[in-house]
Amino acid sequence: GENVEQHPSTLSVQEGDSAVIKCTYSDSASNYFPWYKQELGKRPQLIIDIRSNVGEKKDQRIAVTLNKTAKHFSLHITETQPEDSAVYFCAAEWTTDSWGKFQFGAGTQVVVTP
Amino acid sequence: GAGVSQSPRYKVAKRGQDVALRCDPISGHVSLFWYQQALGQGPEFLTYFQNEAQLDKSGLPSDRFFAERPEGSVSTLKIQRTQQEDSAVYLCASSLFYNEQFFGPGTRLTVL
Repeated sequence: GENVEQHPSTLSVQEGDSAVIKCTYSDSASNYFPWYKQELGKRPQLIIDIRSNVGEKKDQRIAVTLNKTAKHFSLHITETQPEDSAVYFCAAEWTTDSWGKFQFGAGTQVVVTP
Repeated sequence: GAGVSQSPRYKVAKRGQDVALRCDPISGHVSLFWYQQALGQGPEFLTYFQNEAQLDKSGLPSDRFFAERPEGSVSTLKIQRTQQEDSAVYLCASSLFYNEQFFGPGTRLTVL
């Protein structure tokens, strides 16, 4: 099965600085990699995703990079703001003919201090 | 349109009680997933439905856990004879087929 490792487990940054979270996966068949943001007591919300035929994707201050050879992908948040404080989860999906199964990382607690 | 909804949002059960947790997926979503999220951890896969068919239940921790989706829409996760280790947030997610999953707000289960 798939195994996803996520680092760091906690990350403190000053407002305006960048934050980077890294994940590695084990199953080379995985082909979809979403990132979720979860605020305390709230549901996980998809913030960005990347498919295995793409190396990088950007959406305003958020970007994700994927290195298929090394089997790792990273989330980059630039110009961090206090509202970016949350737990971020990466996931890797491997698919059968008709459905895909997610394996999540353990999460990164991001704290942005003003 | 409405997102994924779950009820109840909070459930306190005495050890040994049975509980039932409900998930209403996004209308038209074929795939439905149940996850268990322990404090400070990522969601852990429990089971998967494609319409009414339960295609994977490999993540269910014991035979005390049972899930159903009889008409291919609403799903219920039932836990029999609850134990303290069952305390967690139970998340439901739905998707069209694969890739993007939309999560519900979860049910926080506390077993005393």
